[in-house]
Amino acid sequence: LAKTTQPISMDSYEGQEVNITCSHNNIATNDYITWYQQFPSQGPRFIIQGYKTKVTNEVASLFIPADRKSSTLSLPRVSLSDTAVYYCLVGDTGSARQLTFGSGTQLTVLP
Amino acid sequence: EADIYQTPRYLVIGTGKKITLECSQTMGHDKMYWYQQDPGMELHLIHYSYGVNSTEKGDLSSESTVSRIRTEHFPLTLESARPSHTSQYLCASSDPGLAGGQRYQETQYFGPGTRLLVL
Repeated sequence: LAKTTQPISMDSYEGQEVNITCSHNNIATNDYITWYQQFPSQGPRFIIQGYKTKVTNEVASLFIPADRKSSTLSLPRVSLSDTAVYYCLVGDTGSARQLTFGSGTQLTVLP
Repeated sequence: EADIYQTPRYLVIGTGKKITLECSQTMGHDKMYWYQQDPGMELHLIHYSYGVNSTEKGDLSSESTVSRIRTEHFPLTLESARPSHTSQYLCASSDPGLAGGQRYQETQYFGPGTRLLVL
C-alpha cells in the first residue's frame, strides 16, 4: 500500500487559494489518488479523485505531476466553512478496504 | 448526497450493557465498513463486509461484532460495553468503482457517526 505524507496543519485566510500537498513516493501504476474532507463530529466526505494531470470539479482541483509521486489539492477562495481535516488516500481500483486514512491535514481558515 | 444513516447519533451507557449501533444505506452498495475514531485522531477500520453473509475484521482489533443479513443493513454490536469503548463509530459504504466499463477507485460514503460514551 502506498504511504502518504501530508502536513499536519495549515492556516489560511478567507478568500485565499489553499494548496495542500500530499507525498506518495511509492505509488503504484494502478493507484488512484483520492481526497476526503472531514468536519468535526462527522464522517469524511469525498472531494475529488484523479489518476494523472489535472482534475477539476465544482469544489476543488487536483494536480498530479507526471511522476505521480505527489499531488496537490487546490481549494479556490476558501471560506470559514472550509475549516476541516483533509485526507489524501492512494490505492488501486480494488476495494476501498485497502485504503488507509492517515492523520490528514487540519486546515484552519481565519477571518 | 449519499443515503447512509446511523442511529443513535449519541449514546451514553453504563459498563456491562449490550449495545447495537445501527447503520443502513439505500444505495444498494455491496461493500460496507465500520471505522472507529477518537477525537482528533485517525480513522481505524474495525470491520468490513463485501456483501450479504460476508464479514471480516479490520486492521484495528475490536471486541465488537457485526452482521450482514441484508444488503442495506450492517449493525455493530458490543456485548458488554466498557469505558475503553468510548469513541466515535463511523459506518461507510462504497460504490462499485465502475462506470461506463471503466474502473476507478471506489468512493466511500460515510454516515454521520455514533458518538459512544461508556461510563
